[in-house]
Amino acid sequence: NAGVTQTPKFQVLKTGQSMTLQCAQDMNHNSMYWYRQDPGMGLRLIYYSASEGTTDKGEVPNGYNVSRLNKREFSLRLESAAPSQTSVYFCASSEAGQGYNEQFFGPGTRLTVL
Amino acid sequence: QKEVEQNSGPLSVPEGAIASLNCTYSDRGSQSFFWYRQYSGKSPELIMFIYSNGDKEDGRFTAQLNKASQYVSLLIRDSQPSDSATYLCAVNPVNRDDKIIFGKGTRLHILP
Repeated sequence: NAGVTQTPKFQVLKTGQSMTLQCAQDMNHNSMYWYRQDPGMGLRLIYYSASEGTTDKGEVPNGYNVSRLNKREFSLRLESAAPSQTSVYFCASSEAGQGYNEQFFGPGTRLTVL
Repeated sequence: QKEVEQNSGPLSVPEGAIASLNCTYSDRGSQSFFWYRQYSGKSPELIMFIYSNGDKEDGRFTAQLNKASQYVSLLIRDSQPSDSATYLCAVNPVNRDDKIIFGKGTRLHILP
């Protein structure tokens, strides 16, 4: 099992460009999450999806959109990138709702917006 | 405001000693507690979870939970240089097992 995979691993954008971060999990988990991690700020939840077909805002959703394409895949889109979105982005998944709520993380995407 | 608080460190511990990492949380109804290890440049990795008051041991790691004091800790026995990392405490809010609130982490440095 690959667990949680993310693409790309690194990305450099110019202000105003758009891009989509991809995430997939092969653990048959119901819930998936997108976090950003900045120095001194810890992990902050951007969006999450408790089940296929549902998405909810987290702590810092502004400037982002998400799509839960199917049970395996959860993508994060930046429509018009800003320097403030320079960060490391992590996708995670869990069996939340079944009594098992440990989250498992992908390797991350390091995004720089110039 | 539901929060998870950790000392940012760095916490320096001699090799072979016990490292003690502490975490407090504000939501009294929280039910599930997690410790993640994050090496520099890597993603968080789950190392322990605990649901009940008391101690839970796994190899060199012991998680301790005291719900009355809203306090959870992680002990690492026989610390090794490979234990040098940032340790994140995480808590499920009450009645929300689909979300986890993370602390900002404690940097641990094991001195050879």
